[in-house]
Amino acid sequence: NAGVTQTPKFRVLKTGQSMTLLCAQDMNHEYMYWYRQDPGMGLRLIHYSVGEGTTAKGEVPDGYNVSRLKKQNFLLGLESAAPSQTSVYFCASSYVPELEVDTQYFGPGTRLTVL
Amino acid sequence: ELKVEQNPLFLSMQEGKNYTIYCNYSTTSDRLYWYRQDPGKSLESLFVLLSNGAVKQEGRLMASLDTKARLSTLHITAAVHDLSATYFCAVDSSGGSNYKLTFGKGTLLTVNP
Repeated sequence: NAGVTQTPKFRVLKTGQSMTLLCAQDMNHEYMYWYRQDPGMGLRLIHYSVGEGTTAKGEVPDGYNVSRLKKQNFLLGLESAAPSQTSVYFCASSYVPELEVDTQYFGPGTRLTVL
Repeated sequence: ELKVEQNPLFLSMQEGKNYTIYCNYSTTSDRLYWYRQDPGKSLESLFVLLSNGAVKQEGRLMASLDTKARLSTLHITAAVHDLSATYFCAVDSSGGSNYKLTFGKGTLLTVNP
């Protein structure tokens, strides 16, 4: 199993450009998440999904949109990038109903710089 | 709004010493998680603590949970250089449905020879 993968690993954008980050998981997890990590801030939840076709806002959703058209994929979009969105973005997934104990599994991260 | 506070945020230790990282949270929760992050890497799950009094141990690390005090500790015994990393605690803020975690800011641990 590849676990959680993210594409791309690095990206540089100019202010106002748009892009989509792709997250894929092969563990049949129901839940998926997008976080951003900034120095000294820990991880902050952007959006999450509790199943195919569902999405919900997290702690810092402004400026981002998401879609979960397939269970294994969770896309994060930036419609008009701003320098404040320079960050490391992590995708995570969790939850198989048959398991009582679970944790979130994280992807390798995408380092995004907005100039 | 759930707040999760870790202390210390920075910890420099000598090899062979013991120390404890604390994680306090502000609202009721029965589930707490500890993760490790190496520089430039992703997060790796260390422990899942599911109930009051839960204690988990792996090697030189031991985690415990006191839900009444809203406190978890990560104890490091006889530290070695390989333990140098950032450690995060995270609290389930979804009311036990396990779909939403709130993270602390992390503790950067440096173990010196």
